[in-house]
Amino acid sequence: AQKITQTQPGMFVQEKEAVTLDCTYDTSDPSYGLFWYKQPSSGEMIFLIYQGSYDQQNATEGRYSLNFQKARKSANLVISASQLGDSAMYFCAMRGVTSYGKLTFGQGTILTVHP
Amino acid sequence: DTAVSQTPKYLVTQMGNDKSIKCEQNLGHDTMYWYKQDSKKFLKIMFSYNNKELIINETVPNRFSPKSPDKAHLNLHINSLELGDSAVYFCASSEGLFRADTQYFGPGTRLTVL
Repeated sequence: AQKITQTQPGMFVQEKEAVTLDCTYDTSDPSYGLFWYKQPSSGEMIFLIYQGSYDQQNATEGRYSLNFQKARKSANLVISASQLGDSAMYFCAMRGVTSYGKLTFGQGTILTVHP
Repeated sequence: DTAVSQTPKYLVTQMGNDKSIKCEQNLGHDTMYWYKQDSKKFLKIMFSYNNKELIINETVPNRFSPKSPDKAHLNLHINSLELGDSAVYFCASSEGLFRADTQYFGPGTRLTVL
């Protein structure tokens, strides 16, 4: 079984600053993948970034990077140079090698970017 | 070109009715999913299909019945709708079942049961 915990219900950041959204996970799977999704107020789920448990380097995608600390079971999302359009709900999710594809989601963090 | 599409986007209906939500993906993926997002925004998987075969049925009432006529389509039929079924239902697809296969979501269907 997998469990994802996002302890920050809401976060605020000034435009152009960086922000870190926390995510911790628990799993007994030897191999797994970690994902972050963005859900703006319009409701769609947008894939942002992926990190594999055996990847040697932290994943980056444009302004998004994943701070993966395997020993601490954390997979924090870092957004650099925040923009107003980054205001949204952010979900951390994982799937293990025994999940049959199932994604387990955290509770989400609402990010608000102030001008 | 929409990768994963769902119809309808909004569905308002009375308790006890039967309704269907349709999903189509044009990504050539083998695996499709249904997720439910409740009023607290919590997302939970309901079903997954791989090559038209049911893989996951996650403790969902049997009033919910998925059907996959082909790899590109996964529909969700709900019988005898209840107030608690009100939620946003997302369809998603991925290349396969591997841990690295990213799931791409449809726009969601907001179901309101009155």
